[in-house]
Amino acid sequence: GAGVSQSPRYKVAKRGQDVALRCDPISGHVSLFWYQQALGQGPEFLTYFQNEAQLDKSGLPSDRFFAERPEGSVSTLKIQRTQQEDSAVYLCASSLESGRINGELFFGEGSRLTVL
Amino acid sequence: AQKITQTQPGMFVQEKEAVTLDCTYDTSDQSYGLFWYKQPSSGEMIFLIYQGSYDEQNATEGRYSLNFQKARKSANLVISASQLGDSAMYFCATMDSSYKLIFGSGTRLLVRP
Repeated sequence: GAGVSQSPRYKVAKRGQDVALRCDPISGHVSLFWYQQALGQGPEFLTYFQNEAQLDKSGLPSDRFFAERPEGSVSTLKIQRTQQEDSAVYLCASSLESGRINGELFFGEGSRLTVL
Repeated sequence: AQKITQTQPGMFVQEKEAVTLDCTYDTSDQSYGLFWYKQPSSGEMIFLIYQGSYDEQNATEGRYSLNFQKARKSANLVISASQLGDSAMYFCATMDSSYKLIFGSGTRLLVRP
């Protein structure tokens, strides 16, 4: 597709359940970012990939959060043993280049996670 | 560390009028970029406009312009001739030295017919 695609769009999980969120970036985009957006807040950085390398994971809130991009294209964000405070929209963004301060990020529509 | 402050949780504007959304930033970097994104109810973040710290002229993109005042560390977004479709959340952001975007808390704009 032409844009960043995320799935599922909506996910309801019971507390303690593991979830996996998928991001399919724009073809050829080098950089990929994951953001977490709580209700009524701005997006907060989680992690960043340049191709398959995870260069920054400083925003991951706990070791229950894990992200991978094994072939430098599709990325998966996994949350283990979900808790209610994990309820948020998870946004994925990609960029054609890395290391450019004016590099435009293209965002997907997000995956809305609700933990009961 | 970079920080973005948006002090207007919500704004109203009459259709066809102009509106200014405020943004102030804090950074120790000499070179930085400032961005505005629009987020409609569908959830997607849509890039609107970019201003580089060394750009001497204010950025403009169609009905959007960025009022950049470096000494005041402000980067306000001006939307001219508001349309009903402009109703959305608007986020100001800066890119830090590791090339990730730092967002503000956003302003919800409602355009009245």
